[in-house]
Amino acid sequence: EAGVTQSPTHLIKTRGQQVTLRCSPISGHTSVYWYQQALGLGLQFLLWYDEGEERNRGNFPPRFSGRQFPNYSSELNVNALELEDSALYLCASSLYGRLTNYGYTFGSGTRLTVV
Amino acid sequence: SQQGEEDPQALSIQEGENATMNCSYKTSINNLQWYRQNSGRGLVHLILIRSNEREKHSGRLRVTLDTSKKSSSLLITASRAADTASYFCATDAQGGSEKLVFGKGTKLTVNP
Repeated sequence: EAGVTQSPTHLIKTRGQQVTLRCSPISGHTSVYWYQQALGLGLQFLLWYDEGEERNRGNFPPRFSGRQFPNYSSELNVNALELEDSALYLCASSLYGRLTNYGYTFGSGTRLTVV
Repeated sequence: SQQGEEDPQALSIQEGENATMNCSYKTSINNLQWYRQNSGRGLVHLILIRSNEREKHSGRLRVTLDTSKKSSSLLITASRAADTASYFCATDAQGGSEKLVFGKGTKLTVNP
C-alpha cells in the first residue's frame, strides 16, 4: 500500500512568488492535514480537509490556502511568499472520525526555501 | 499554540541505555500520541494511548499517561544508534476539532 506522497520534495522560490504543494493521502483516507515545521520549531497546524471541505484552519494568514479534490488529494497554496515561510511542509492523512484509533500517517514533506 | 511540551529538549545517551522523554499538556484529551522524526523527514507514528489507559507497551517502547498531572512519558529501552531522532508528543483534545497538536519535540542522540 502506497503511503502519503508529497510533491515536490524540495523547492526554492523568491520572495513575493506563489507556490503550490501537493499531497496524495493513503487510499481510503478521507482527511488530509497540513502542518508547517520551521527550522528548530515544532509542527504548526495549518489546515484540515475532509470530504472536499475545509474543516479547520490554524493561525495562519489568508495567503495560506488549499483545497481537497474528489479523489481526496490536496493542494496547499501560499501566495506572496515571505522569507519566514521557509519550512518543511508536512501532509498527513487519517480516516475521518478514526483519529482516536489510528493517528496520522505523514508524508516525507516538501522543503520550501524562500530567498 | 503548542499543547504539548516535551522535556528535555535534547538528550544524549550511550547505546544500550534507556531514554526517557516527558510530555506535559494543558487541556483534557481523548488520547496522546508519540511520533518520531528522523532528520528533516516526515513523522512516524509510534504509539497511541487513550485517556482511560495508564500504560502501554510496543516493543522497546513504554508509554505512561497521568491525566491528573496532564503528563506522559515515553521510555525507550536498550537504545540503539538507529533510535537517534526527534520525538514528539501530540494530543487529541476533548471537544476539539479532530486535529493533533504537537509539542516542540525532544532531540535524542544515541551514541554508539
